[in-house]
Amino acid sequence: DAKTTQPNSMESNEEEPVHLPCNHSTISGTDYIHWYRQLPSQGPEYVIHGLTSNVNNRMASLAIAEDRKSSTLILHRATLRDAAVYYCILRDGSGGGSNYKLTFGKGTLLTVNP
Amino acid sequence: SAVISQKPSRDICQRGTSLTIQCQVDSQVTMMFWYRQQPGQSLTLIATANQGSEATYESGFVIDKFPISRPNLTFSTLTVSNMSPEDSSIYLCSVFSRNYNEQFFGPGTRLTVL
Repeated sequence: DAKTTQPNSMESNEEEPVHLPCNHSTISGTDYIHWYRQLPSQGPEYVIHGLTSNVNNRMASLAIAEDRKSSTLILHRATLRDAAVYYCILRDGSGGGSNYKLTFGKGTLLTVNP
Repeated sequence: SAVISQKPSRDICQRGTSLTIQCQVDSQVTMMFWYRQQPGQSLTLIATANQGSEATYESGFVIDKFPISRPNLTFSTLTVSNMSPEDSSIYLCSVFSRNYNEQFFGPGTRLTVL
């Protein structure tokens, strides 16, 4: 599986935007970029995913570099509830049942200050 | 979204015993996975639970230690056999939803082995 590199931790203030970076220099053409987050004492939850184009949903935006070797998860207005570990994960989208499994790295621990 | 429940939510067990964890999904899903999250660590995939056939285990995990059943498309069990304190972890069930193109995770089972 292609690997991702994320900062161990980041800090933000409430109601400010947060940009969480992820490097994936060995990404292949069929790899989707997924972001999940894990709130304290909960299972991970899906945030967003993309392949080549930038993506927006109600939770966040995903900005993907033109060469796809990096991406940034953008929380437009951080709240205290956004404090979590954020995981950037590459998933091989070339098909087959085994390609739906996720390989988690260490993720980025986001702290949101009131 | 897929709603996943796990039983038990937590347990404290003695060394050498076994514990079976149940995972129930509110809809039929093709792909179901079992993860382990050791204290302070990220998630590690144990196996893919296949309906009607043997589970597919990841490197470092074996069927004798973590037998898995998948009798239908909404239910699976993971057994942690002959437990030792090193097995103290959170065990999470997840499913991939083709409808939503994302994985959903259960709340986890927190296991402590004394």
